Amino acid sequence: GQQVMQIPQYQHVQEGEDFTTYCNSSTTLSNIQWYKQRPGGHPVFLIQLVKSGEVKKQKRLTFQFGEAKKNSSLHITATQTTDVGTYFCVIGGGADGLTFGKGTHLIIQP
Amino acid sequence: DTAVSQTPKYLVTQMGNDKSIKCEQNLGHDTMYWYKQDSKKFLKIMFSYNNKELIINETVPNRFSPKSPDKAHLNLHINSLELGDSAVYFCASSQRDHSPLHFGNGTRLTVT
Repeated sequence: GQQVMQIPQYQHVQEGEDFTTYCNSSTTLSNIQWYKQRPGGHPVFLIQLVKSGEVKKQKRLTFQFGEAKKNSSLHITATQTTDVGTYFCVIGGGADGLTFGKGTHLIIQP
Repeated sequence: DTAVSQTPKYLVTQMGNDKSIKCEQNLGHDTMYWYKQDSKKFLKIMFSYNNKELIINETVPNRFSPKSPDKAHLNLHINSLELGDSAVYFCASSQRDHSPLHFGNGTRLTVT
């Protein structure tokens, strides 16, 4: 099945700083989804990107899908303590199901 | 109303035992899944199932078996538990392929 590389694995930031996580695939993707998992919680769907070069915003979160549909990023502006958690990109679907990246753990220091 | 519910939340058991985890979804979704999350938070799909077919991740030991009495339920039965089975198991559902996943709260399994 398809695989996706997600970096960084861990990111420490001071509250108020920006944060970005990246996902890269060697194959062209039909779509990519992003999820957030709070500590002790379950993954929660954030957004799905489908179109080449697509950019979507949710308040302080900006999601991008690359022109070649092989990479994606999630950027958080001015992080807050509520942003703490693990962010996953997710690809695939169909018979193989959805495949999760290894996640980026965001740690925020007040 | 909980959309995807799974029980129990915690499960502590000894090696060699057999256990089951139950999952129910009230979203009317066609497809249900089991994911395993290890201590490093890696999420791996174990099974996907709709009313037509069961897709098994080939890396899953045959000690694990999903059982679906109907479209709204997908239970996970585990035989002869091993220490390495300790993890958090998440049930999820989606309307169709490529649709967003809705997760249950997870079952933390500890095998001693």
